[in-house]
Amino acid sequence: GAGVSQSPSNKVTEKGKDVELRCDPISGHTALYWYRQRLGQGLEFLIYFQGNSAPDKSGLPSDRFSAERTGESVSTLTIQRTQQEDSAVYLCASSLNTGVRNEQFFGPGTRLTVL
Amino acid sequence: AQTVTQSQPEMSVQEAETVTLSCTYDTSENNYYLFWYKQPPSRQMILVIRQEAYKQQNATENRFSVNFQKAAKSFSLKISDSQLGDTAMYFCAFMKHDSNTGKLIFGQGTTLQVKP
Repeated sequence: GAGVSQSPSNKVTEKGKDVELRCDPISGHTALYWYRQRLGQGLEFLIYFQGNSAPDKSGLPSDRFSAERTGESVSTLTIQRTQQEDSAVYLCASSLNTGVRNEQFFGPGTRLTVL
Repeated sequence: AQTVTQSQPEMSVQEAETVTLSCTYDTSENNYYLFWYKQPPSRQMILVIRQEAYKQQNATENRFSVNFQKAAKSFSLKISDSQLGDTAMYFCAFMKHDSNTGKLIFGQGTTLQVKP
């Protein structure tokens, strides 16, 4: 079956513009995660969705960042009024369920460049 | 709060030789999980190996094995018989055992180059 897919693969935008990044999880996976990876750095947790439960937004760096997920399907990460420090690769992952025993499968990421 | 530290930004190894990547972590938790992920140039993160903290036996997956030292909070990855396809960035990661969210905490990564 298909893995996690993300679009676009690359996005270049001007400072101050809004961007939307999309993640299609593996079918049947109830848990979905967004991570940010700055150049040469590890991944930083941003937000987590599990079914219809309230999302864990504890990793979102500012109120310019928001994410939505409809049921157990597609998720979008929106960054408003982008800044140069938002430049990074944004990775999405999904897992069958929540918790440590459920492997997270990652997408290829979206590379965001803010000029 | 938990932290994960990888002190080797870059490493290289000759094909067929063995290399060890270091990872240390800090936590007050007693039960947790540790992971090594591989990120090739395609950017897609791949789980390499997982260790449960309450298990004393070191995890192994084919050519990959770990040296888990709980008291020292150390979790190194050994790659035996290195192959060109092992060239990638490797990340050590931590997850609390009772995590309801499955939130992973990552180290900064080590770039490994396998030379022919």
